[in-house]
Amino acid sequence: QSALTQPASVSGSPGQSITISCTGTSSDVGGYNYVSWYQQHPGKAPKVMIYDVSNRPSGVSDRFSGSKSGNTASLTISGLQPEDEADYYCSSYTTSSTLDFGGGTKLTVL
Amino acid sequence: EVQLLESGGGLVQPGGSLRLSCAASGFSFSNYAMNWVRQAPGKGLEWVSVITGSGGTAYYADSVKGRLTISRDNSKNTLYLQMNNLGVEDTAVYYCAKERGYHFYGSPVDWGQGTLVTVSS
Repeated sequence: QSALTQPASVSGSPGQSITISCTGTSSDVGGYNYVSWYQQHPGKAPKVMIYDVSNRPSGVSDRFSGSKSGNTASLTISGLQPEDEADYYCSSYTTSSTLDFGGGTKLTVL
Repeated sequence: EVQLLESGGGLVQPGGSLRLSCAASGFSFSNYAMNWVRQAPGKGLEWVSVITGSGGTAYYADSVKGRLTISRDNSKNTLYLQMNNLGVEDTAVYYCAKERGYHFYGSPVDWGQGTLVTVSS
């Protein structure tokens, strides 16, 4: 069982917006602004989409945005495109100086 | 361009040992903390370990503490993971991942392509 809780799956139609939640505790998500989001296509390495809750690396589309409220972080993808279909993972630094990942969310673009 | 190239994976028997390497290029290696993250077949991501830029501090997941050891050679721009007393539960693709800074922020921002470790008799 993963330390951070994500929905197993979400779906949306092209052009729509979706949000993936990531729920932890005050020892991880709620205690630090060190939440990241990763996109992983089948057979590929993860790619960081958001770091430090809401920062987007250069080259990542501004359709991807991150936020946090209390112990829950969220990734929002607006204007869904077929290539957004992938697995998404959240991660958070913890008080134990470790890194926890969520169980992953499979995004299906209908 | 950041490049991370893992090697050393393969088939090993339960109880055996293996050493993974990650050759880094395209950035000042000693200025960044480095992680190992693994992914069992069909499963999610699991953080394994991190080491600071100087190599002076390392942290481990409880699941690997005492069996896996992270190290680095900054003169060779290479990260290592010594894996001892391996069990079937260690079967996974192992990724090396560069932190966004010298210390551990829990933000691996650049990833290699991974190397597969299979523990089986």
